[in-house]
Amino acid sequence: DIQMTQAPSSLSASVGDRVTITCRASQSIGRKINWFQQRPGKAPKLLIYSASHLQSGVPTRFSGSGSGTDFTLIVTGLQAEDSATYYCQHNYAAPPWTFGQGTKVEIK
Amino acid sequence: QVALRETGPALVKPTQTLTLTCSFSGFSLNTAGMSVAWIRQPPGKALEWLARIDWNGDKYYKTSLKTRLTLSKDSSKNQVVLTMTNMDPEDSGTYFCAREWDLLDAADHWGQGSLVSVSS
Repeated sequence: DIQMTQAPSSLSASVGDRVTITCRASQSIGRKINWFQQRPGKAPKLLIYSASHLQSGVPTRFSGSGSGTDFTLIVTGLQAEDSATYYCQHNYAAPPWTFGQGTKVEIK
Repeated sequence: QVALRETGPALVKPTQTLTLTCSFSGFSLNTAGMSVAWIRQPPGKALEWLARIDWNGDKYYKTSLKTRLTLSKDSSKNQVVLTMTNMDPEDSGTYFCAREWDLLDAADHWGQGSLVSVSS
């Protein structure tokens, strides 16, 4: 199975900051990656699909990029409500589609 | 609008079989491109993709759990059932079902999750 490795595992940033989360796949997956946000006690929420496509209703301060094995989720202008754990997930070829281990974002 | 809800036991004993039902509305598993996936999350840990059933009956399972997982669907009732045999305390956690569709190739709607504890 393809492994997804996120970095960092956690970070602390201030409101208004630019935050970058990376995800590396164990093999090339094209642009077949999704990003999710999970607030404590809640179900995950789809933010970005196919590496860079913003899901309907998601604020434009979220963006995604990358291809092959290296991908990035960027939050430009961090807001207090962005405090959450973020997960990447590949959707390359047929399942199983594995998740990364998550990146916890805390607001200073 | 799309909605999903997981139901099942909150507590199972080790070695028992877990049966979870995902009841959904707002879409049909008879529609080409639609799928229902199961994802779990141990307390304080990461999401773990478990299984998926497609509109055409194709099924996919996490490699390491393939021998313990079974998916079935009843499209007329808008339900998907996941069974997991030989439950262990390490299987404790929240089990989510989610809709996936091939337009996004992503889980765009999730249930609220069903918390399962495995203990004698």
